[in-house]
Amino acid sequence: AQSVTQPDIHITVSEGASLELRCNYSYGATPYLFWYVQSPGQGLQLLLKYFSGDTLVQGIKGFEAEFKRSQSSFNLRKPSVHWSDAAEYFCAVLPSGGSYIPTFGRGTSLIVHP
Amino acid sequence: ETGVTQTPRHLVMGMTNKKSLKCEQHLGHNAMYWYKQSAKKPLELMFVYNFKEQTENNSVPSRFSPECPNSSHLFLHLHTLQPEDSALYLCASSQEGYYGYTFGSGTRLTVV
Repeated sequence: AQSVTQPDIHITVSEGASLELRCNYSYGATPYLFWYVQSPGQGLQLLLKYFSGDTLVQGIKGFEAEFKRSQSSFNLRKPSVHWSDAAEYFCAVLPSGGSYIPTFGRGTSLIVHP
Repeated sequence: ETGVTQTPRHLVMGMTNKKSLKCEQHLGHNAMYWYKQSAKKPLELMFVYNFKEQTENNSVPSRFSPECPNSSHLFLHLHTLQPEDSALYLCASSQEGYYGYTFGSGTRLTVV
């Protein structure tokens, strides 16, 4: 069965520092990959998605993610974090071909220190 | 404006009450979903509707009853809930799934 692992429950960074949130998946074929962000009291918002092609994907709010097939990873990055980036981040995996229901990771909570 | 609107935003209900959650999307999506999000638990898929037909029911207790009268509206009818049902209930919609989901802001439900 496919699975998604976000190894870090919490990540703390200082404002202006760079950020990398990890996501690993277990699936036979290359799936579709997504990152979502959830601000407190809100629903999830799609940051970016990977289908195929260029392994570096640009998203909204200055985020990017890199797909590494050899590592089964899809890590989210941002070069300089703003206080407003403090939120919960979810990685999601959708098998290519067939199902339209993704598997979500458990989330990583980002704390930003001034 | 997220494209998916959920009402109410907050709901407090007693265990003997009956209430309904409403979700509306005007994005032209063909699938709609109910998720439950509890503290310290992963996102739980409850129900899936694809072209108004229910295609998934993830072993959800019968005290939760979904209704999808058309492809733009989704309801979750609640009755005789338990305190452990207190959670954030999220509605989402998608077109073919692989474009990603659009989520509503959720209904924060408290069962007393």
